Order: sequence, then structure tokens, then C-alpha cells
Amino acid sequence: DGGITQSPKYLFRKEGQNVTLSCEQNLNHDAMYWYRQDPGQGLRLIYYSQIVNDFQKGDIAEGYSVSREKKESFPLTVTSAQKNPTAFYLCASSMGISNYGYTFGSGTRLTVV
Amino acid sequence: AQKVTQAQTEISVVEKEDVTLDCVYETRDTTYYLFWYKQPPSGELVFLIRRNSFDEQNEISGRYSWNFQKSTSSFNFTITASQVVDSAVYFCALSGTSGTYKYIFGTGTRLKVLA
Repeated sequence: DGGITQSPKYLFRKEGQNVTLSCEQNLNHDAMYWYRQDPGQGLRLIYYSQIVNDFQKGDIAEGYSVSREKKESFPLTVTSAQKNPTAFYLCASSMGISNYGYTFGSGTRLTVV
Repeated sequence: AQKVTQAQTEISVVEKEDVTLDCVYETRDTTYYLFWYKQPPSGELVFLIRRNSFDEQNEISGRYSWNFQKSTSSFNFTITASQVVDSAVYFCALSGTSGTYKYIFGTGTRLKVLA
């Protein structure tokens, strides 16, 4: 079945560490996205990518980095520069930008210990 | 600027009641798209519906129905005869067509359906 796989489901990070969240899709979608969700809040866009080897900053890109070397993969690195990384991270993909519905992964819950 | 407002933070209903989730949007685009997503406790958002700005017909899918009114900039979602499995957070989203990227989510409405 086609879909988006995010791993790990739960991740614990020590202060000062970089961690990478995985996102893989087999839907042949061109566009991929990373969102951050905090309790009681909506989704805030971190980064998005319309095509391979290209990505754009979203609303809260500081302290995060991404790569898009393959169409299927869009990993997110939470760097030590991100001061408040504890959150629920959602990866999504779509056929194209803007006017398509998104398919979401099941999310990664990151906790700083 | 684009904006999506879901004024209802949390709604509780008893099973079998009907419930309407409100969504009000702002955009200057003449062509735009509206969406609803469901986020069950498992965390994954599930796409429910997409509606473009030129199609104001109401849509019904089983117990779900959507009412799109451009005159009031609203895209409300009604669940008829609610069930416990409907308990989730529901997000309304708006996508514009001008500029590089304009796809924003509302803050969500948490629906609790009590048995």
C-alpha cells in the first residue's frame, strides 16, 4: 500500500545533540513537507520541497535543516540551535504544491531530556 | 494575508447528536482551495475533503457534510449522528494560488463524542 512512513515514532534527544527524523513516501508525490505541532496549536510549516534537490524554508525553519536527494525521502534534522525542539513532527506529501490534499505520516514525537 | 479561523477549541456531544464544526477563512485570491482533515488520537492527519472556490455546492459523504458559503467566507463541517469514533481533532485548511506557497491550517477543533 502506498503511504508515508515516519520513523522513529518516539525520539529522545539530549541537550546539544542533533537528531534526524526520517520521512519516506512511495506515492510518487513531487512535493513533501515538514510540520511541527505543539499541544493545542495548529500545524506550523518548517520546510517544504517541490522537487528533488530543492527545498524552501517555511514559517519556523530556524534550528532545522532538510535535504531532498531522492524523490521518496525528505529527512529533517533538528539541530542544537533549535531551542525548544520538544514537539510532534509531521511529514506530508502531495502531488503538487498548494491545491492538492496532503497525505500525512503518523508523526514523530520528539522529547528533549 | 491568508487566515483560517476555527473559533471552537473543543466541542463535546453525546453520541448520535449532530455537530457542526465552524471554519472561517480570509484570502485575497480569487481561486483557492479549502480542505478538512481529521487527526485521531493516533496522530496521523487524514484528508477528508477538498473544495475549490468556484464550486459552492454542498457535499455529503455518508454522515459527513460540508457547507461552503463564499458570501460569509465559511466552510463548515457537519457530522450527523455522531459516533465515538468521530472523536478527534479536526483541522480546516486554505490553499491560495498566488505566490510561491500559501497553504495554512486553522488551529483545530477537538471533538469529543461521549457514549
